[in-house]
Amino acid sequence: SQQGEEDPQALSIQEGENATMNCSYKTSINNLQWYRQNSGRGLVHLILIRSNEREKHSGRLRVTLDTSKKSSSLLITASRAADTASYFCATTPGGSNYKLTFGKGTLLTVNP
Amino acid sequence: DTAVSQTPKYLVTQMGNDKSIKCEQNLGHDTMYWYKQDSKKFLKIMFSYNNKELIINETVPNRFSPKSPDKAHLNLHINSLELGDSAVYFCASSPRQGTNTEAFFGQGTRLTVV
Repeated sequence: SQQGEEDPQALSIQEGENATMNCSYKTSINNLQWYRQNSGRGLVHLILIRSNEREKHSGRLRVTLDTSKKSSSLLITASRAADTASYFCATTPGGSNYKLTFGKGTLLTVNP
Repeated sequence: DTAVSQTPKYLVTQMGNDKSIKCEQNLGHDTMYWYKQDSKKFLKIMFSYNNKELIINETVPNRFSPKSPDKAHLNLHINSLELGDSAVYFCASSPRQGTNTEAFFGQGTRLTVV
């Protein structure tokens, strides 16, 4: 069964703007990860936030995690055309280290 | 120096045929996965192996049979292919069992059944 749900399904912005994507999940988790998928390519890991962390930064990426609301957000600041891709959240439901489960993804389009 | 490599990248075949997709990782990881991504981009886990042992089988039809000859390889054999099997199949690996590890993905195999 699907664990994560991203919101929105699609997002279109202008270069230089910030992009925020949200993810909600259903069960307790060990961690939450965000991945990027460029068209026709495999997924690339962006950032991992543990269940006991609330916020994490990596370059232009900022991830928050609210375990009480079972939700996470990914913020990309000062977006670039090269950020155009699908973004997925993924979780390992509590106790299941081997079941990395993905949401449906958000398609981000950054217009030059 | 590809970390996770899959072959072939594209596979077009007729209904009823049997085909295999190969996956190899050179990262020294213990855990490997197969995922299926449908036309709506939904990624569904199919199998998870740890050190050559099947850990997760997500109610995949038994026409799909994974085989892990060693922990660096996880191949996927599909019998009696159906139209609904058309999708992109991704292999992935992650380090030894742990709660906070990322997965590394191959480039995918686009399977088209005609």
